[in-house]
Amino acid sequence: DAGITQSPRHKVTETGTPVTLRCHQTENHRYMYWYRQDPGHGLRLIHYSYGVKDTDKGEVSDGYSVSRSKTEDFLLTLESATSSQTSVYFCAIRTSSGGSYNEQFFGPGTRLTVL
Amino acid sequence: GQQLNQSPQSMFIQEGEDVSMNCTSSSIFNTWLWYKQEPGEGPVLLIALYKAGELTSNGRLTAQFGITRKDSFLNISASIPSDVGIYFCAGQLPGAGSYQLTFGKGTKLSVIP
Repeated sequence: DAGITQSPRHKVTETGTPVTLRCHQTENHRYMYWYRQDPGHGLRLIHYSYGVKDTDKGEVSDGYSVSRSKTEDFLLTLESATSSQTSVYFCAIRTSSGGSYNEQFFGPGTRLTVL
Repeated sequence: GQQLNQSPQSMFIQEGEDVSMNCTSSSIFNTWLWYKQEPGEGPVLLIALYKAGELTSNGRLTAQFGITRKDSFLNISASIPSDVGIYFCAGQLPGAGSYQLTFGKGTKLSVIP
């Protein structure tokens, strides 16, 4: 257990509404990641963070923004949700503090449905 | 973006049989990871590999980092019903910013009791 929680775990919303998903970690790891998982696509990186207020785009960042004002929290925001953003969203943390080791551990996921 | 080709996409096996799956790419990776995901849960890390040729075991699971650095293999011996799930490979490209990983699309394993 890497001490990762995600909230909410399930959400149904309507097209055009803003949505914020929260990832919380208890172990002060520097690197945090947001992925989405869709059938046929596997896990795709949306955004990542390498420290407080340090974030960057991943493979599928359009329509998403992120913020990290504290080490323990990484927020993913859909400014205006669309049906194509219906997905399962996973947060992950990298637990190694340096070197080439790169073990990422995942949270339990948030299932988002946009109607 | 970079792709990892994972095969087979799905497999049905009898309890007690051994299982093999693999992940290949046209690019060199310097890290290979194997995850298992069960319905409604996040992926769980099974094995991490960091050197070409490395062979690592975790109970009945054994994974290898291919000598060319372009592939990796996962074997499960004497399968049991709780092995059911989707197995993902992931790799880190040399120089990947902030240790980003590239994921395969998964192998769905079904075990027939």
